Amino acid sequence: EVQLVESGGGLVQPGGSLRLSCAASGNTFSSYSMNWVRQAPGKGLEWISYISKSSSPKYYADSVKGRFTISRDNAKNSLYLQMNSLRAEDTAVYYCAGGANWFDPWGQGTLVTVSS
Amino acid sequence: DIQMTQSPSSLSASVGDRVTVTCRASQGISNALAWYQQKPGKAPKLLLYGASRLESGVPSRFSGSGSGTDYILTISSLQPEDFATYYCQQYYTTPPYSFGQGTKLEI
Repeated sequence: EVQLVESGGGLVQPGGSLRLSCAASGNTFSSYSMNWVRQAPGKGLEWISYISKSSSPKYYADSVKGRFTISRDNAKNSLYLQMNSLRAEDTAVYYCAGGANWFDPWGQGTLVTVSS
Repeated sequence: DIQMTQSPSSLSASVGDRVTVTCRASQGISNALAWYQQKPGKAPKLLLYGASRLESGVPSRFSGSGSGTDYILTISSLQPEDFATYYCQQYYTTPPYSFGQGTKLEI
């Protein structure tokens, strides 16, 4: 089974940008549709974006539509999330997760903090 | 969009107890439901999908049932390692997917 490792989180000011990465081990990344799911501190899980194996279609939650962009590079076994116009309410642990319907596997998460 | 409502939001139980968690969808989802377990500081772990199909490696004390809009996660005999937060998630039709708000199972 593929293993996933997120990176790129950190502290960013409101209105700023950040790019998250999710690196997959093994040779099966291209066979997975992928998702980003986030979890605000002390809160529940929120699905935010999906990308198919071939990069089309892509879907977004209303809360991030127009600000976040999901992409992937199957040759590099990598998934990305470009986050622009960040807000305080985007503060969360961001997980990448494989799957077209249910989510498995999951990465360990990367924390994004939006604060001045 | 489909809304998922879990109950209870928290639950106190003891080792050996039988526990149920309920998840209700705002419309019928034809068994397109998964259950996850999350422990503090860890990523969620898939337990069941298709409402009742046990993920490989998950103990058989976990089971799922339901149909239409109402689904149940049952843990038949609680073990110490089962104290965690549980989430349901619907995947009916295309995204957006949605999670329930979680049920925290405490000792």
